[in-house]
Amino acid sequence: DAGVIQSPRHEVTEMGQEVTLRCKPISGHNSLFWYRQTMMRGLELLIYFNNNVPIDDSGMPEDRFSAKMPNASFSTLKIQPSEPRDSAVYFCASSLGVAGETDTQYFGPGTRLTVL
Amino acid sequence: GQQLNQSPQSMFIQEGEDVSMNCTSSSIFNTWLWYKQDPGEGPVLLIALYKAGELTSNGRLTAQFGITRKDSFLNISASIPSDVGIYFCAGQLLLSTGNQFYFGTGTSLTVIP
Repeated sequence: DAGVIQSPRHEVTEMGQEVTLRCKPISGHNSLFWYRQTMMRGLELLIYFNNNVPIDDSGMPEDRFSAKMPNASFSTLKIQPSEPRDSAVYFCASSLGVAGETDTQYFGPGTRLTVL
Repeated sequence: GQQLNQSPQSMFIQEGEDVSMNCTSSSIFNTWLWYKQDPGEGPVLLIALYKAGELTSNGRLTAQFGITRKDSFLNISASIPSDVGIYFCAGQLLLSTGNQFYFGTGTSLTVIP
């Protein structure tokens, strides 16, 4: 079975440019999560969706970050304009996400973003 | 938000030694998960625990869901060099709007051959 798919795996861009990260969750999973990982701050939850609806976006750093989930099989995380401090590894994860039931989360391979 | 206290932060051990790490929280979780992350990769699920008191093994790995539902431990027996990596615990809360996961800060394991 295909796991969580992310693209691109690596992205190098210049400050001020728009960056779009993409994620395809595991088929049948109802919840999708975006995380950011840095040495300083560890693994941070940015936003999560349930049934394509954003449930908690309190972790989104600022207005430069936006996330969408237009359908059950695709999500994007956009940074516009990007800044050097956005450099990190961004992970997408998905889970069955049936409310009130025990659940397990599966991660994608991540996108390593470098903003020069 | 929620924070899991994971310890130790790092470990340096000799090959063949056993390893133990744990996570504690002030919150009651419905599920405890243990992940391993290799450099340049995403976290990979090792063990999932769904019931208080549950003890589950996966090869040389053993994990337990604490009776209070506020803690969990992971043991690795007879460590080998490929056990090197960062180990994360995670707890799951059941919510009416989907399920939320909270992660520990990780334990970095180095195995010396």
